[in-house]
Amino acid sequence: QKEVEQDPGPLSVPEGAIVSLNCTYSNSAFQYFMWYRQYSRKGPELLMYTYSSGNKEDGRFTAQVDKSSKYISLFIRDSQPSDSATYLCAMRSYGQNFVFGPGTRLSVLP
Amino acid sequence: DTGVSQDPRHKITKRGQNVTFRCDPISEHNRLYWYRQTLGQGPEFLTYFQNEAQLEKSRLLSDRFSAERPKGSFSTLEIQRTEQGDSAMYLCASSSGTEGEKLFFGSGTQLSVL
Repeated sequence: QKEVEQDPGPLSVPEGAIVSLNCTYSNSAFQYFMWYRQYSRKGPELLMYTYSSGNKEDGRFTAQVDKSSKYISLFIRDSQPSDSATYLCAMRSYGQNFVFGPGTRLSVLP
Repeated sequence: DTGVSQDPRHKITKRGQNVTFRCDPISEHNRLYWYRQTLGQGPEFLTYFQNEAQLEKSRLLSDRFSAERPKGSFSTLEIQRTEQGDSAMYLCASSSGTEGEKLFFGSGTQLSVL
């Protein structure tokens, strides 16, 4: 079992839809959780950062962490074609290196 | 622009040649990371520096790979005697090194070994 798992997709949704992206993990020591967006042939761009459990909202994006279920989610409201990208989750425990999921490829169709 | 800068963006080389990549981190960041990413996978950790000290190297980093960060500013990653399996995106990232550190990535160097 990989330490961090994501459905690779591709996930295709119509413009305006609510998108739900998820990661599961096995290491209960993870405390810091991040979501990155990566466009083709570009480096990952940090979207959301959450410490421990709870929700965080930033514009159209909401990140949720459920440590009891070892499950994190990223919601995108009113999705736009410009949101079409690969979304990577990343997490780490204190003093350890970041571990990335394989990414979910999202296509938002106009 | 004060983001992470990588050079070159693309590199095509023949098997057996040596290649070197450069990364300039965000100026106030004291940690610098190198990752490798292949198609359909997330970034895989290679090595990281705290200032000029290389603190950790992944088992992925064979002895053909060497990284330096002289003076704790920019870093170079060299691959000697390249193999086709080295073809990947090489990503550099930097962070503040504090407890809640966030990783900021450059645009990467896409290496193709023919």
